[in-house]
Amino acid sequence: QSVLTQPPSASGTPGQRVTISCSGSSSNVGRNPVNWYQQLPGTAPKVFIYSNSQRPSGVPDRFSGSKSGASASLAISGLQSEDEADYYCAAWDDSLNAWVFGGGTKLTVL
Amino acid sequence: ELQLLESGGGLVQEGGSLRLTCAASGFSFSDYAMSWVRQAPGKGLEWISGISGSSGYAYYGDSVKGRFTISRDISKNTLYLQMNSLRAEDTAVYYCAKRRHSAPQLGFEDYWGQGTLVTVSS
Repeated sequence: QSVLTQPPSASGTPGQRVTISCSGSSSNVGRNPVNWYQQLPGTAPKVFIYSNSQRPSGVPDRFSGSKSGASASLAISGLQSEDEADYYCAAWDDSLNAWVFGGGTKLTVL
Repeated sequence: ELQLLESGGGLVQEGGSLRLTCAASGFSFSDYAMSWVRQAPGKGLEWISGISGSSGYAYYGDSVKGRFTISRDISKNTLYLQMNSLRAEDTAVYYCAKRRHSAPQLGFEDYWGQGTLVTVSS
Protein backbone atom coordinates (compact mmCIF):
# COMPACT_ATOMS: atom_id res chain seq x y z
CA GLN A 1 0.00 0.00 0.00
CA SER A 2 1.64 3.20 -1.20
CA VAL A 3 1.45 6.42 0.82
CA LEU A 4 0.49 8.34 -2.34
CA THR A 5 -2.49 7.04 -4.30
CA GLN A 6 -2.49 6.83 -8.08
CA PRO A 7 -4.85 5.01 -10.43
CA PRO A 8 -3.17 1.77 -11.56
CA SER A 9 -3.95 2.44 -15.20
CA ALA A 10 -4.92 5.14 -17.67
CA SER A 11 -5.40 5.14 -21.40
CA GLY A 12 -6.11 7.35 -24.37
CA THR A 13 -5.93 7.50 -28.12
CA PRO A 14 -3.30 9.47 -30.04
CA GLY A 15 -3.96 13.19 -29.84
CA GLN A 16 -6.13 12.94 -26.74
CA ARG A 17 -5.49 14.58 -23.37
CA VAL A 18 -4.98 12.32 -20.37
CA THR A 19 -4.60 13.19 -16.70
CA ILE A 20 -3.12 11.08 -13.92
CA SER A 21 -3.96 11.92 -10.33
CA CYS A 22 -1.85 11.60 -7.19
CA SER A 23 -3.54 11.84 -3.83
CA GLY A 24 -1.66 12.32 -0.59
CA SER A 25 -2.06 13.99 2.77
CA SER A 26 -1.13 17.11 4.66
CA SER A 27 2.25 15.66 5.60
CA ASN A 28 3.40 15.09 2.03
CA VAL A 29 1.62 16.44 -1.08
CA GLY A 30 -0.27 19.00 0.97
CA ARG A 31 2.93 20.52 2.26
CA ASN A 32 5.77 19.72 -0.16
CA PRO A 33 6.45 19.90 -3.90
CA VAL A 34 5.54 16.94 -6.08
CA ASN A 35 7.76 15.32 -8.71
CA TRP A 36 6.61 13.09 -11.54
CA TYR A 37 8.75 10.37 -13.12
CA GLN A 38 8.33 8.44 -16.34
CA GLN A 39 9.67 4.90 -16.54
CA LEU A 40 9.92 3.02 -19.81
CA PRO A 41 10.14 -0.80 -19.63
CA GLY A 42 13.54 -2.03 -18.52
CA THR A 43 14.96 1.45 -17.94
CA ALA A 44 15.62 3.74 -15.00
CA PRO A 45 13.00 6.40 -14.19
CA LYS A 46 13.35 9.92 -15.55
CA VAL A 47 11.90 13.06 -14.01
CA PHE A 48 9.26 14.68 -16.21
CA ILE A 49 7.83 17.27 -13.81
CA TYR A 50 9.47 18.66 -10.66
CA SER A 51 8.29 21.10 -8.02
CA ASN A 52 4.62 20.53 -8.96
CA SER A 53 4.72 22.09 -12.42
CA GLN A 54 8.28 22.63 -13.65
CA ARG A 55 9.50 20.82 -16.75
CA PRO A 56 13.18 19.86 -17.09
CA SER A 57 14.81 20.77 -20.36
CA GLY A 58 14.09 18.19 -23.01
CA VAL A 59 10.64 17.25 -21.72
CA PRO A 60 7.94 18.15 -24.26
CA ASP A 61 5.58 20.95 -23.28
CA ARG A 62 2.73 18.48 -23.84
CA PHE A 63 3.45 17.44 -20.25
CA SER A 64 2.21 19.65 -17.43
CA GLY A 65 1.73 19.32 -13.69
CA SER A 66 -0.48 20.96 -11.12
CA LYS A 67 -1.29 20.70 -7.44
CA SER A 68 -4.21 21.69 -5.27
CA GLY A 69 -4.21 20.94 -1.57
CA ALA A 70 -3.17 17.33 -1.01
CA SER A 71 -3.71 16.25 -4.61
CA ALA A 72 -1.54 16.62 -7.68
CA SER A 73 -2.07 15.85 -11.35
CA LEU A 74 0.00 15.10 -14.40
CA ALA A 75 -1.59 16.05 -17.71
CA ILE A 76 -0.43 14.87 -21.11
CA SER A 77 -1.95 16.58 -24.11
CA GLY A 78 -1.61 15.49 -27.73
CA LEU A 79 -0.95 11.92 -26.60
CA GLN A 80 1.68 10.07 -28.61
CA SER A 81 2.62 6.40 -28.77
CA GLU A 82 6.00 7.09 -27.15
CA ASP A 83 4.19 8.36 -24.04
CA GLU A 84 3.20 4.78 -23.22
CA ALA A 85 5.02 4.14 -19.94
CA ASP A 86 4.65 3.95 -16.17
CA TYR A 87 4.29 7.26 -14.33
CA TYR A 88 5.04 7.83 -10.66
CA CYS A 89 4.45 10.79 -8.37
CA ALA A 90 6.69 11.45 -5.37
CA ALA A 91 6.81 13.89 -2.47
CA TRP A 92 8.74 14.32 0.76
CA ASP A 93 6.76 13.26 3.82
CA ASP A 94 7.43 15.42 6.87
CA SER A 95 6.01 12.82 9.26
CA LEU A 96 7.98 9.88 7.89
CA ASN A 97 11.09 11.96 7.08
CA ALA A 98 11.24 10.06 3.82
CA TRP A 99 10.35 10.36 0.16
CA VAL A 100 7.13 8.55 -0.69
CA PHE A 101 6.08 7.38 -4.13
CA GLY A 102 2.71 6.66 -5.60
CA GLY A 103 2.06 3.10 -6.71
CA GLY A 104 2.48 4.09 -10.34
CA THR A 105 0.10 4.46 -13.27
CA LYS A 106 0.53 2.42 -16.43
CA LEU A 107 -0.40 4.62 -19.38
CA THR A 108 -1.55 2.83 -22.51
CA VAL A 109 -1.89 4.58 -25.85
CA LEU A 110 -4.66 2.77 -27.71
CA GLU B 1 29.76 12.97 -19.03
CA LEU B 2 27.94 12.25 -15.78
CA GLN B 3 27.90 8.54 -14.88
CA LEU B 4 26.60 6.45 -12.03
CA LEU B 5 27.72 2.82 -12.03
CA GLU B 6 26.22 0.45 -9.47
CA SER B 7 27.77 -2.85 -8.52
CA GLY B 8 27.59 -5.39 -5.75
CA GLY B 9 24.23 -6.96 -6.44
CA GLY B 10 23.72 -10.70 -6.50
CA LEU B 11 22.14 -13.66 -4.80
CA VAL B 12 22.18 -13.85 -1.01
CA GLN B 13 20.36 -15.94 1.56
CA GLU B 14 17.83 -14.52 3.97
CA GLY B 15 19.56 -13.02 6.97
CA GLY B 16 22.69 -12.33 4.97
CA SER B 17 24.44 -9.08 4.07
CA LEU B 18 25.45 -7.32 0.89
CA ARG B 19 27.12 -3.99 0.12
CA LEU B 20 26.14 -2.06 -2.97
CA THR B 21 28.53 0.44 -4.51
CA CYS B 22 27.78 3.36 -6.82
CA ALA B 23 30.76 4.93 -8.56
CA ALA B 24 30.03 8.52 -9.56
CA SER B 25 31.83 10.63 -12.14
CA GLY B 26 31.32 13.75 -14.17
CA PHE B 27 30.09 16.05 -11.39
CA SER B 28 31.16 17.48 -8.05
CA PHE B 29 30.15 14.55 -5.86
CA SER B 30 30.22 16.42 -2.55
CA ASP B 31 27.85 19.14 -3.78
CA TYR B 32 24.81 16.93 -4.26
CA ALA B 33 22.66 14.61 -2.22
CA MET B 34 22.37 11.01 -3.38
CA SER B 35 19.53 8.49 -3.15
CA TRP B 36 18.98 4.77 -3.28
CA VAL B 37 15.66 3.75 -4.87
CA ARG B 38 14.57 0.17 -5.41
CA GLN B 39 12.01 -1.64 -7.51
CA ALA B 40 10.82 -5.14 -6.74
CA PRO B 41 10.04 -7.33 -9.77
CA GLY B 42 6.84 -6.10 -11.41
CA LYS B 43 6.29 -3.51 -8.67
CA GLY B 44 6.60 0.23 -8.24
CA LEU B 45 9.41 2.47 -7.08
CA GLU B 46 10.39 2.67 -3.42
CA TRP B 47 12.78 5.31 -2.06
CA ILE B 48 14.86 3.66 0.63
CA SER B 49 17.59 6.10 1.62
CA GLY B 50 19.20 9.46 0.94
CA ILE B 51 22.34 11.21 2.10
CA SER B 52 23.27 14.88 2.04
CA GLY B 53 26.00 16.31 -0.10
CA SER B 54 28.56 17.35 2.44
CA SER B 55 27.41 16.67 6.01
CA GLY B 56 26.61 13.04 5.36
CA TYR B 57 23.26 13.34 7.11
CA ALA B 58 21.10 10.36 6.14
CA TYR B 59 17.43 9.48 5.96
CA TYR B 60 15.84 6.04 5.63
CA GLY B 61 12.53 4.54 4.66
CA ASP B 62 10.73 2.60 7.38
CA SER B 63 11.14 -0.72 5.57
CA VAL B 64 14.95 -0.60 5.83
CA LYS B 65 15.56 1.53 8.92
CA GLY B 66 17.92 -0.24 11.31
CA ARG B 67 19.03 -2.76 8.68
CA PHE B 68 20.51 -0.67 5.86
CA THR B 69 23.18 2.02 6.11
CA ILE B 70 23.95 4.58 3.44
CA SER B 71 27.37 6.21 3.30
CA ARG B 72 29.64 8.03 0.89
CA ASP B 73 33.39 8.37 0.39
CA ILE B 74 33.98 11.84 -1.05
CA SER B 75 37.61 11.04 -1.84
CA LYS B 76 36.54 8.10 -4.00
CA ASN B 77 33.35 9.66 -5.43
CA THR B 78 31.54 6.56 -4.28
CA LEU B 79 28.18 5.93 -2.64
CA TYR B 80 27.50 2.79 -0.62
CA LEU B 81 24.51 0.91 0.71
CA GLN B 82 25.30 -1.66 3.39
CA MET B 83 22.39 -4.08 3.61
CA ASN B 84 22.14 -6.39 6.65
CA SER B 85 19.52 -8.86 7.84
CA LEU B 86 18.22 -9.21 4.31
CA ARG B 87 14.71 -10.51 3.75
CA ALA B 88 12.99 -12.04 0.73
CA GLU B 89 11.01 -8.81 0.31
CA ASP B 90 14.27 -6.90 -0.24
CA THR B 91 14.58 -8.61 -3.63
CA ALA B 92 14.64 -5.77 -6.15
CA VAL B 93 16.62 -3.76 -8.64
CA TYR B 94 18.49 -1.10 -6.67
CA TYR B 95 19.17 2.23 -8.34
CA CYS B 96 21.51 4.91 -7.11
CA ALA B 97 20.57 8.41 -8.18
CA LYS B 98 21.94 11.92 -7.93
CA ARG B 99 19.65 14.61 -6.58
CA ARG B 100 19.59 18.14 -7.98
CA HIS B 101 20.15 19.56 -4.51
CA SER B 102 22.57 19.16 -1.63
CA ALA B 103 19.79 18.20 0.79
CA PRO B 104 18.23 14.74 0.39
CA GLN B 105 14.74 15.97 1.23
CA LEU B 106 14.73 18.61 -1.50
CA GLY B 107 14.86 18.60 -5.28
CA PHE B 108 14.56 15.51 -7.42
CA GLU B 109 16.67 12.73 -8.90
CA ASP B 110 18.13 14.04 -12.14
CA TYR B 111 20.53 11.19 -12.97
CA TRP B 112 20.13 7.48 -12.35
CA GLY B 113 22.39 4.48 -12.57
CA GLN B 114 21.46 1.39 -14.57
CA GLY B 115 20.46 -0.52 -11.46
CA THR B 116 21.80 -3.67 -9.83
CA LEU B 117 19.68 -6.70 -9.00
CA VAL B 118 19.62 -8.07 -5.48
CA THR B 119 17.95 -11.43 -4.99
CA VAL B 120 17.33 -12.72 -1.47
CA SER B 121 16.52 -16.41 -1.30
CA SER B 122 14.37 -17.81 1.47
